Amino acid sequence: KNEVEQSPQNLTAQEGEFITINCSYSVGISALHWLQQHPGGGIVSLFMLSSGKKKHGRLIATINIQEKHSSLHITASHPRDSAVYICAVSPSTDKLIFGTGTRLQVFP
Amino acid sequence: DTAVSQTPKYLVTQMGNDKSIKCEQNLGHDTMYWYKQDSKKFLKIMFSYNNKELIINETVPNRFSPKSPDKAHLNLHINSLELGDSAVYFCASSFRSNYGYTFGSGTRLTVV
Repeated sequence: KNEVEQSPQNLTAQEGEFITINCSYSVGISALHWLQQHPGGGIVSLFMLSSGKKKHGRLIATINIQEKHSSLHITASHPRDSAVYICAVSPSTDKLIFGTGTRLQVFP
Repeated sequence: DTAVSQTPKYLVTQMGNDKSIKCEQNLGHDTMYWYKQDSKKFLKIMFSYNNKELIINETVPNRFSPKSPDKAHLNLHINSLELGDSAVYFCASSFRSNYGYTFGSGTRLTVV
């Protein structure tokens, strides 16, 4: 079993819908990351969290350290949000452990 | 531009060859990493270096040898390439005291 589990694996949505991607982890962490990988392949860091909630534009990330769970929300989704969203955790500063990713497709 | 830059972006080579991938960051970060993304898009740590010192070698075959001439560069040399080495290799960097990562654009290695 992977130390970082994401759900769902695949997600399709209509433009404008509210989207939630979930991440659960089984190791002690210092931080949790949400990453975005577009079809072109590059990886962009969206959020780094160690507690609470962060918001950037239409993206919101939350983390519950006690429950070892994080969510990424996208409000008013748009086709340009189509990408793979990856949850990763830092058990230390020396590496990331990745989830398997959630492939999101948003249709107009 | 401030960034993590990898070269080459694409690399196609025959089995048994030796190849290198280069990575440079101009962000002033003190820690650099190599990650491998397999055919199922799963990412996994290979190596991490802090100030030119190897910190993590995550059970990677000896055919893979990272080299960090200075804290801004981390190169990956692969000997005797095998079909299973085909993957996308990502370089990344961060400050060791902080958890914010910047990734390179990846090198797609295809071994034929």
